[in-house]
Amino acid sequence: GAVVSQHPSWVICKSGTSVKIECRSLDFQATTMFWYRQFPKQSLMLMATSNEGSKATYEQGVEKDKFLINHASLTLSTLTVTSAHPEDSSFYICSAETGVGAEAFFGQGTRLTVV
Amino acid sequence: AQSVTQPDIHITVSEGASLELRCNYSYGATPYLFWYVQSPGQGLQLLLKYFSGDTLVQGIKGFEAEFKRSQSSFNLRKPSVHWSDAAEYFCAVAFLNFGNEKLTFGTGTRLTIIP
Repeated sequence: GAVVSQHPSWVICKSGTSVKIECRSLDFQATTMFWYRQFPKQSLMLMATSNEGSKATYEQGVEKDKFLINHASLTLSTLTVTSAHPEDSSFYICSAETGVGAEAFFGQGTRLTVV
Repeated sequence: AQSVTQPDIHITVSEGASLELRCNYSYGATPYLFWYVQSPGQGLQLLLKYFSGDTLVQGIKGFEAEFKRSQSSFNLRKPSVHWSDAAEYFCAVAFLNFGNEKLTFGTGTRLTIIP
């Protein structure tokens, strides 16, 4: 299957700093990428949907100014957690698909710890 | 709003025994249905999916699932589990939203395999 790579796999940052997480589709062009957040022993919650070249669509309750999403190319989307706080600590997962009805391929996730 | 319910938070099965993981959904129309597996600290891997047609779907790693419209269920089965099947399993439902698919995940079922 297709490969989606997330970087970094884990990151520890100080409270108040910003962290950027990259999501790359390595061997296919992704028209749509999704960002999820997963709390320990809980399900994945969709944060936002991003289409290449357009603004991301955020789910209700997700702060767009805090979680900045950029989908500048068909193979790269980035999630920037701005002014991170300990409550932002979580497992962030991206997925990418080639089009409507296509299978979504998931990255390996990024564990963010804010201290 | 659509929702997915996985009634079993944790299941323990002996190696070689059969397995059934339950999934029920709530949605106005026939949704797209998926089962994913997540190993510790990893992203999600698609096991199988149902869009239409034959209600018994075969997936990877020997898994199958059956769509039962009357029961709004999409239970995952495997006739004989292997120790490597120990993981977290997520059922998901998708619907089209402005041309994109949005996945709604169940809370997951953690599978433990005992010798």
